[in-house]
Amino acid sequence: QKEVEQDPGPLSVPEGAIVSLNCTYSNSAFQYFMWYRQYSRKGPELLMYTYSSGNKEDGRFTAQVDKSSKYISLFIRDSQPSDSATYLCAMTGGGFKTIFGAGTRLFVKA
Amino acid sequence: EAQVTQNPRYLITVTGKKLTVTCSQNMNHEYMSWYRQDPGLGLRQIYYSMNVEVTDKGDVPEGYKVSRKEKRNFPLILESPSPNQTSLYFCASSGLAGGREQFFGPGTRLTVL
Repeated sequence: QKEVEQDPGPLSVPEGAIVSLNCTYSNSAFQYFMWYRQYSRKGPELLMYTYSSGNKEDGRFTAQVDKSSKYISLFIRDSQPSDSATYLCAMTGGGFKTIFGAGTRLFVKA
Repeated sequence: EAQVTQNPRYLITVTGKKLTVTCSQNMNHEYMSWYRQDPGLGLRQIYYSMNVEVTDKGDVPEGYKVSRKEKRNFPLILESPSPNQTSLYFCASSGLAGGREQFFGPGTRLTVL
């Protein structure tokens, strides 16, 4: 079993929809939870990170962490065609070893 | 401009021919890391470095070497490349403890024939 599971998609939604992206994990030592966005032929870029459980909001993006269920989510409100990309979750235990999910491909149709 | 650079961006080589992929960052970050990205497997960490002369293995270190002699540079060395090392490689750096908020380079696409 992988330490981090992420549905690869692809996920296709109409413009303006609310998008929900999710990851589950098995290692209870993870403390920092990150979401990266990766456009085709580019390196990943950090969207946001959260520490431990709770919610964090940044513009149209909201990250949620439920450590009791070992489940994290990224919500995108009012999705735009420019949001079409691969979204990667990542986790670390506070050390420097980082585990990434396989990524979910998102398509937002105009 | 704050950035992570990698060279070369594309490389085709043959089995057994030693190669080095360079990585450099201009943000004075202490933490640097190398990943490989393969379809369906996502990013997998090869090696990371917490500071000069301090490195440690990630999840897939076999067949790779690294060194960190200067803070800004973190080269990845493949002493005897094999076809299963054909992949897309990313270097990343971070100024925060725990490796969060990593800045990634543009990637190096390596093909080993």
